[in-house]
Amino acid sequence: GAVVSQHPSRVICKSGTSVKIECRSLDFQATTMFWYRQFPKQSLMLMATSNEGSKATYEQGVEKDKFLINHASLTLSTLTVTSAHPEDSSFYICSARDLGFGTGGTDTQYFGPGTRLTVL
Amino acid sequence: AQSVAQPEDQVNVAEGNPLTVKCTYSVSGNPYLFWYVQYPNRGLQFLLKYITGDNLVKGSYGFEAEFNKSQTSFHLKKPSALVSDSALYFCAVRAPGFQKLVFGTGTRLLVSP
Repeated sequence: GAVVSQHPSRVICKSGTSVKIECRSLDFQATTMFWYRQFPKQSLMLMATSNEGSKATYEQGVEKDKFLINHASLTLSTLTVTSAHPEDSSFYICSARDLGFGTGGTDTQYFGPGTRLTVL
Repeated sequence: AQSVAQPEDQVNVAEGNPLTVKCTYSVSGNPYLFWYVQYPNRGLQFLLKYITGDNLVKGSYGFEAEFNKSQTSFHLKKPSALVSDSALYFCAVRAPGFQKLVFGTGTRLLVSP
């Protein structure tokens, strides 16, 4: 099946610093990727939809200047948490939409393993 | 608007017994339905999906789900549960023409030895 990687898996940073998280589709091209945030014992909250070569679409209430998304290639999207604060500590998960052309499947989102961000 | 309901926060089942994790949905048009499983501190793993065709869909690890249009349900099932099936299960729906998945709140499955 389609594989999505995410790096780093865990990051601890000081308040005020910026953190970049990478999401890669390893065996398929993804024109669309998604970034989610998950709080303990809760469901996934969609933050933004990342489209290759264009600006990301942010969900209501998500600060686009704080959560910078870049989707520069068909296999890579990055999320940068700028000036991170303790309230940004969370589990961030990306997904990539596989339209099935390369993997023989049909339109399915595949998820990365997640990144645990802790801001001190 | 699309929505998904997973009415049970937790399902407990003994190893070897059949399991069912419930999911109902609301969407305009024909739904695309998905089940994902999440292990602790991990991302979501795709289990199975329904797009069209047979109402009974078979997926990974022996799981299956039945699409019931009249009841707007897509319950996840497995004939014989394993302790290793213990995890958090998410049902999701996507409406035709939309990219976003809408997730349920998740159901924790606990399989006891």
